[in-house]
Amino acid sequence: KNEVEQSPQNLTAQEGEFITINCSYSVGISALHWLQQHPGGGIVSLFMLSSGKKKHGRLIATINIQEKHSSLHITASHPRDSAVYICAAHPWIQGAQKLVFGQGTRLTINP
Amino acid sequence: KAGVTQTPRYLIKTRGQQVTLSCSPISGHRSVSWYQQTPGQGLQFLFEYFSETQRNKGNFPGRFSGRQFSNSRSEMNVSTLELGDSALYLCASSLGTWWRGLYGYTFGSGTRLTVV
Repeated sequence: KNEVEQSPQNLTAQEGEFITINCSYSVGISALHWLQQHPGGGIVSLFMLSSGKKKHGRLIATINIQEKHSSLHITASHPRDSAVYICAAHPWIQGAQKLVFGQGTRLTINP
Repeated sequence: KAGVTQTPRYLIKTRGQQVTLSCSPISGHRSVSWYQQTPGQGLQFLFEYFSETQRNKGNFPGRFSGRQFSNSRSEMNVSTLELGDSALYLCASSLGTWWRGLYGYTFGSGTRLTVV
């Protein structure tokens, strides 16, 4: 079993829909990251969370440390949101500066 | 300010050859980490350097190595290339490493390596 699990693996929705991507992790973490990857490969860091909730524009990320679960929400989705979304855990291990990744969620927003 | 720069963007090599990839971090960032992305395994951590020292290493064979220079630029090297080394190689820079608190990561655009 992977240390970081995402669901769903693929998600297709219509423009304007509310999107939720889930991430569960089994390791103790100091932070959880949400990343966005467009075709071509470049990765953009969207959020880094250690507790609570963060919002940036139409994107909202939440984390529940006790339940080891995080969600990424997109409100009023748009075709330009189509990308692969990856959650990545920063394990709470002394000396470790590394990320453990989920398998990614491929999001397609149709106009 | 300039982002993380990876060179080259694309590379085709033959089995058995070796390859060197370069990563220039954001100015002032002293931590550089490397990742391999393949369709089958997804993103996997290779290693992390801070102040010219390798701090962490992932589960990759010794054919994968790296180094960091005094200006924080980093290189990774893969020797005796295998077909399975075909992947997107990403580096990410960060202001500090774990004991300096948590810092975000800035990723480069990656080097796409094809081994034939």
